[in-house]
Amino acid sequence: GQQLNQSPQSMFIQEGEDVSMNCTSSSIFNTWLWYKQDPGEGPVLLIALYKAGELTSNGRLTAQFGITRKDSFLNISASIPSDVGIYFCAGQYNNDMRFGAGTRLTVKP
Amino acid sequence: NAGVTQTPKFQVLKTGQSMTLQCAQDMNHEYMSWYRQDPGMGLRLIHYSVGAGITDQGEVPNGYNVSRSTTEDFPLRLLSAAPSQTSVYFCASKWGYEQYFGPGTRLTVT
Repeated sequence: GQQLNQSPQSMFIQEGEDVSMNCTSSSIFNTWLWYKQDPGEGPVLLIALYKAGELTSNGRLTAQFGITRKDSFLNISASIPSDVGIYFCAGQYNNDMRFGAGTRLTVKP
Repeated sequence: NAGVTQTPKFQVLKTGQSMTLQCAQDMNHEYMSWYRQDPGMGLRLIHYSVGAGITDQGEVPNGYNVSRSTTEDFPLRLLSAAPSQTSVYFCASKWGYEQYFGPGTRLTVT
């Protein structure tokens, strides 16, 4: 099946720093999505990307759908303590959605 | 509007026991799905349904059954629990490409 490689696995940053994480795949997707999961909760959608090359922002978050349709990145600018959590990328092709293994973000005040 | 609800929140089973994880949504979404989340592996799709009466297998369907008799409900059944099914289970419903997750059920099989 389609595999997503998400990196880095974890990040420890200082409050105020920018963060970048990415996902790559051996297969193409129609849609890329980025989710955040807080402890004990289900993932919550942050950004959805619908076409190759698309660059979308949501507040301090910016994500891009790679031109090859096989990759995506998420940037978080000026991190704050509440950004702590696990971030997942997901690629969707028709009814099949695959998730990356997640990036665990720790923000030190 | 409760969104996606799941019960129970926690469950401990012995090997060989059966149980049903409940999932309901009140958003009238046609598409619903079940995922399991294991450390370091992200979420993996178990089964999904594109509407009442229609179900299909995902990436890891073995050991699980589903049915979809109504738009609102999508229960997941474990017929004979195994330790390998220890995991956190998430139900989700989808509108377009936007998927909404429930709070999860943490299952331990001893």
